[in-house]
Amino acid sequence: DVKVTQSSRYLVKRTGEKVFLECVQDMDHENMFWYRQDPGLGLRLIYFSYDVKMKEKGDIPEGYSVSREKKERFSLILESASTNQTSMYLCASSLRLARNEQFFGPGTRLTVL
Amino acid sequence: KQEVTQIPAALSVPEGENLVLNCSFTDSAIYNLQWFRQDPGKGLTSLLLIQSSQREQTSGRLNASLDKSSGRSTLYIAASQPGDSATYLCAVRRSNDYKLSFGAGTTVTVRA
Repeated sequence: DVKVTQSSRYLVKRTGEKVFLECVQDMDHENMFWYRQDPGLGLRLIYFSYDVKMKEKGDIPEGYSVSREKKERFSLILESASTNQTSMYLCASSLRLARNEQFFGPGTRLTVL
Repeated sequence: KQEVTQIPAALSVPEGENLVLNCSFTDSAIYNLQWFRQDPGKGLTSLLLIQSSQREQTSGRLNASLDKSSGRSTLYIAASQPGDSATYLCAVRRSNDYKLSFGAGTTVTVRA
């Protein structure tokens, strides 16, 4: 079974802090994704990576950056956290673009005060 | 832009009844469609993936059908159990894109 893990289930940060969310997958998947999920807005794609050191912006990249130095790890960075970034953050991975069944991690509930 | 709609938004049924969940999408040029389950405060669990060339997929009590030309997919859950209570989301991948477009989900409650 594919396992996608996220570093924290719950996180509380203050406005202006730099925040790192980590995601690790153990199935040698090429693709990794970061989403945020908000009531009434559903899941929205923040960033996508299709290979080590490769990334593409999703639908809502503003205020976020990502890092993928190793194939199994994809980090989401909030350079200066703001209250409107309070959300559930979900990481996902898929084997490759041609077979893109996505597998999700448990999520990180981030609160920015 | 691909719009994905799931109706109804919420559903409550007695245990043992069959569940029928609907997903519709506006652009029929899709690569595949995936159904997920989400428990409160948790991540998404992949249930079924249907490629655009397929008409249905089955896994245990779950069966998903796809009618690409009419822009619809249906998830059937046979003989529902209280443990099936969750939110079910469908997501569509367009043929020319890697991104998934998600529906808002249907929240299911199965009453014991």
